[in-house]
Amino acid sequence: QSVLTQPPSASGTPGQRVTISCSGSSFNIGSNYVYWYQHLPGTAPKLLIYTNDQRPSGVPDRFSGSKSGTSASLAISGLRSEDEADYYCEAWDDNLSGRVFGGGTKLTVL
Amino acid sequence: EVQLLESGGGLVQPGGSLRLSCAASGFTFSSYAMSWVRQAPGKGLEWVSGISASGDSTKYADSVKGRFSISRDSSKNTLYLHMNSLTAEDTAVYYCAKEGLDSIGYDLDYWGQGTLVTISS
Repeated sequence: QSVLTQPPSASGTPGQRVTISCSGSSFNIGSNYVYWYQHLPGTAPKLLIYTNDQRPSGVPDRFSGSKSGTSASLAISGLRSEDEADYYCEAWDDNLSGRVFGGGTKLTVL
Repeated sequence: EVQLLESGGGLVQPGGSLRLSCAASGFTFSSYAMSWVRQAPGKGLEWVSGISASGDSTKYADSVKGRFSISRDSSKNTLYLHMNSLTAEDTAVYYCAKEGLDSIGYDLDYWGQGTLVTISS
């Protein structure tokens, strides 16, 4: 049972916009930054979004992040086949004094 | 180019010990905090431990507290994870990750490819 809650799966067709949610509590998302990572099995995870809504250089602007209260979301617009991967949200948890990840969302591009 | 190369994984019997290493290059290793994150088979990512740039602050997940120890050697640009009292639940791919700042808890902006640890008799 992950501290941060994500839907286990999401899907969309090429060109569509999909959103992945991440729900937490006042101890984590409510009081700290949220980060998003993209992970293709067998490869190194990749930072997609930092400090809630910022994109590292090289990440397409099709990816965007937002946060409101104790929830956050990742939006992917103009969906492409190469976006098919697992996506994880993450935040620091003040109660646990450690990082916590969501359970991950497997995105399928139909 | 930032590179993180993990090593030291393998097959260990329950109750055994193992030391993982992560050789870092392409950035000023002594200026950034580092973390270990693992992924058990069929499961999601789980943060294991973090260490500040100076090495004077360390944090652990409850699942490994008292059994694992994180350390770093800036003269060798290498991060370590010492693992003791290993159980089947520790079986996972272990990733080394660079943090975005000198203290623990910000973005993990670069990751290694991982090293597989298997605990089995």
